Amino acid sequence: SQTIHQWPATLVQPVGSPLSLECTVEGTSNPNLYWYRQAAGRGLQLLFYSVGIGQISSEVPQNLSASRPQDRQFILSSKKLLLSDSGFYLCAWSTGAYEQYFGPGTRLTVT
Amino acid sequence: KQEVTQIPAALSVPEGENLVLNCSFTDSAIYNLQWFRQDPGKGLTSLLLIQSSQREQTSGRLNASLDKSSGRSTLYIAASQPGDSATYLCAVHPNSGYALNFGKGTSLLVTP
Repeated sequence: SQTIHQWPATLVQPVGSPLSLECTVEGTSNPNLYWYRQAAGRGLQLLFYSVGIGQISSEVPQNLSASRPQDRQFILSSKKLLLSDSGFYLCAWSTGAYEQYFGPGTRLTVT
Repeated sequence: KQEVTQIPAALSVPEGENLVLNCSFTDSAIYNLQWFRQDPGKGLTSLLLIQSSQREQTSGRLNASLDKSSGRSTLYIAASQPGDSATYLCAVHPNSGYALNFGKGTSLLVTP
């Protein structure tokens, strides 16, 4: 069966510090991978998606970036965090345009 | 731009009641619609996926319907239980692109 992992589960970082969140998927090959952010009082927003290794598409311009160094690994990064980057970050995977499955999430607080 | 609205924003019912959660979307050009459950501080759990060509999907006590032409979906929960307490999210997958468009959710509380 397929499993999706995210780490860390929680993170508190000062403004201006770098960020690296990791997501890995097990039990499937060549999945589509997604990074979403859920901010307080707002709906989930797609940040990045990837249909293959090294292929990244950005949905929203911001100071975040994403990379996919391996087939089932998706990384969300920032060189300098802003207060507005605080939120709940969710990784998801799908096979093509079908059902999306979400990970447990990372709670990021920027202080 | 696709707008997804969920009504009500919050709902409290006694255990055993049947209930309906509503989702509406502005653009009927959708590929599929997905209902999720989110417990506090947790990720999303997929409940049901309805393809655009389908009218409904059922899983246990859950039944989701889709009326694409009117831009509406409902999630029916039969014989509610306290364990059903969570936030329920509706998400629409457009015909083009990969982004799911989410509503803000309905927060459900089922009291014993």
